[in-house]
Parts: sequence; structure tokens; C-alpha cells
Amino acid sequence: EAGVAQSPRYKIIEKRQSVAFWCNPISGHATLYWYQQILGQGPKLLIQFQNNGVVDDSQLPKDRFSAERLKGVDSTLKIQPAKLEDSAVYLCASSFLVELNEQYFGPGTRLTVT
Amino acid sequence: TQLLEQSPQFLSIQEGENLTVYCNSSSVFSSLQWYRQEPGEGPVLLVTVVTGGEVKKLKRLTFQFGDARKDSSLHITAAQPGDTGLYLCAGAHNYGQNFVFGPGTRLSVLP
Repeated sequence: EAGVAQSPRYKIIEKRQSVAFWCNPISGHATLYWYQQILGQGPKLLIQFQNNGVVDDSQLPKDRFSAERLKGVDSTLKIQPAKLEDSAVYLCASSFLVELNEQYFGPGTRLTVT
Repeated sequence: TQLLEQSPQFLSIQEGENLTVYCNSSSVFSSLQWYRQEPGEGPVLLVTVVTGGEVKKLKRLTFQFGDARKDSSLHITAAQPGDTGLYLCAGAHNYGQNFVFGPGTRLSVLP
């Protein structure tokens, strides 16, 4: 079974530029999560989708971050414009049933903002 | 917002030694998870504990959930270099609620 796929693996941009990350969850997983993991910290949930609907985006900085999951499968996370403090690893995870809380994580995208 | 603390922050030991890492909070959890994250990879779920006092074993790893469901420990027996990684705990207040992660314990097992 293929795992959660993310791309790109690495991205370096200058502040005020835009960037987008892509995630393809495990086939059949209805729930998709985006996390931000700053160096030395644990992952912090940014947004949770159930199929193509948003369940929780309370910690998403909506003035610069946006995410979508149009067909209930793949998802993109965008930052516009980026700030230095956005440098982090962006992790995507998926789960079959949110009640089971068994999340499978992708390898992440390491973003460096200079 | 629940706050999870993990200790120690860093741990470096020799192969074959035993170790215990801790996860603590002032809040009661309905369930708690432990993950291991290797460099350049996402976290991998090791175990979920839901009952106060519960003990689960996974080969050389022993997980315990505190009686009051506010803390947990992970004990590794005879550590191996392959155990090297970031150990994260994550807790949820209510069933079905999203988990909040602690900062992790970074373990290095030297051959």
C-alpha cells in the first residue's frame, strides 16, 4: 500500500514570495491533515479536512495560509506571502476514520524562507 | 489549550542501555499516543493508550499510561542504534478530538 505522498520535499524562497505544497493521501482515507513542525517542536495542526470539507482550521493563519481539497482526495497548502517565521517542515497526514485517530504521515516538505 | 511536556529534551546513550522518557500534562486525556520520527521523515505511530494504568508492550518498548491519565512513559530495554529518533507524545481530551503534540525527546543511541 502506497503511503502519503508530498511534494516538493524541499523549497527555499525569499520572504514575501508565495509557495504551494501538494499532498496525496492514502487511497480511501477520508480525513486529511496539514501540520507545521518548527525545528525543535512537535507538529502543530493547521487544518483538518473530512472529504472535501474543513473540520478544523482554528490554528490556520488565514491572512496568509490557505488550503483546499477540491475533490476530496489531493490537497494543496499555500502560503502567500511567506514570512521568515514560516520556515518549518509541513507535514501531511491522512486517516481512514477520524474516530480511530490512526494518522499516517507523509515525509514532509522542508520550507526555508530567507 | 492542553500543554504537553516531554523530558528529557535530549538523551544520548550507548547501545544496550535502558532508558525511560516521560510525557506530562496538567490535563486529563481520553487517549494518548506515542510516535517516533526519524530525520527527514514524518512521525510513525507506535501505540495508543486509552485506559488509566494501561501498559502496552511493543518488542523492547513498554508504554504506560498514568492512573490519572495525565502522564505517560516510554521505556526502552537494551536500546539499539535503530531506536535513534525523535519520540513524540500526543494527547486528546475527548474521543475523536484532534491530538496535540508535545515537543519530543530526541534520542541518540551510539553503537
